[in-house]
Amino acid sequence: ILNVEQSPQSLHVQEGDSTNFTCSFPSSNFYALHWYRWETAKSPEALFVMTLNGDEKKKGRISATLNTKEGYSYLYIKGSQPEDSATYLCAFDTDKLIFGTGTRLQVFP
Amino acid sequence: DTEVTQTPKHLVMGMTNKKSLKCEQHMGHRAMYWYKQKAKKPPELMFVYSYEKLSINESVPSRFSPECPNSSLLNLHLHALQPEDSALYLCASSPEVTGYQPQHFGDGTRLSIL
Repeated sequence: ILNVEQSPQSLHVQEGDSTNFTCSFPSSNFYALHWYRWETAKSPEALFVMTLNGDEKKKGRISATLNTKEGYSYLYIKGSQPEDSATYLCAFDTDKLIFGTGTRLQVFP
Repeated sequence: DTEVTQTPKHLVMGMTNKKSLKCEQHMGHRAMYWYKQKAKKPPELMFVYSYEKLSINESVPSRFSPECPNSSLLNLHLHALQPEDSALYLCASSPEVTGYQPQHFGDGTRLSIL
């Protein structure tokens, strides 16, 4: 059974703080790693698909890095805003997506 | 607005009822997926269709019956469900069933079994 773990489970930050969280996945047979953002009562939204060791991707204030040799990815949010409040899911891509349990982020004004 | 449309948004049914969940996308995607998500758990894959053919069935009980009538539509037929089947059912699509491509999700159908 493939294990995809995310930490922390939840995070509360003040508006303007920068934050980061981790996704750990099996380091063998790596194919791709996805990040999704899921706001309450909405659909999960794709943020990044990362494929190469050392990859760094950026979308506005959100960025992600990938280390396939040690099996982890970091997601960073710079200057968090209340609208960033959501659950952030990573998913390990084999022939299907195996999701982590997510990090629930709440940003207080 | 999501490009993957799921209906209904909410469904309450008894254990003897038969109902269907519907999913539609017009992005020309050839891969479509059903996921089940229980509270505080990650989405779990149920079925994958590739070019309208079932390619993955994650050992889902036969009381769930998927159908892909054409490249834009995906149905999930429900019959004789159990209370533990109450969950959020998400549909997703992607251009192909291969990596490197994000999946586009619908808003889900919240299903309650009485």
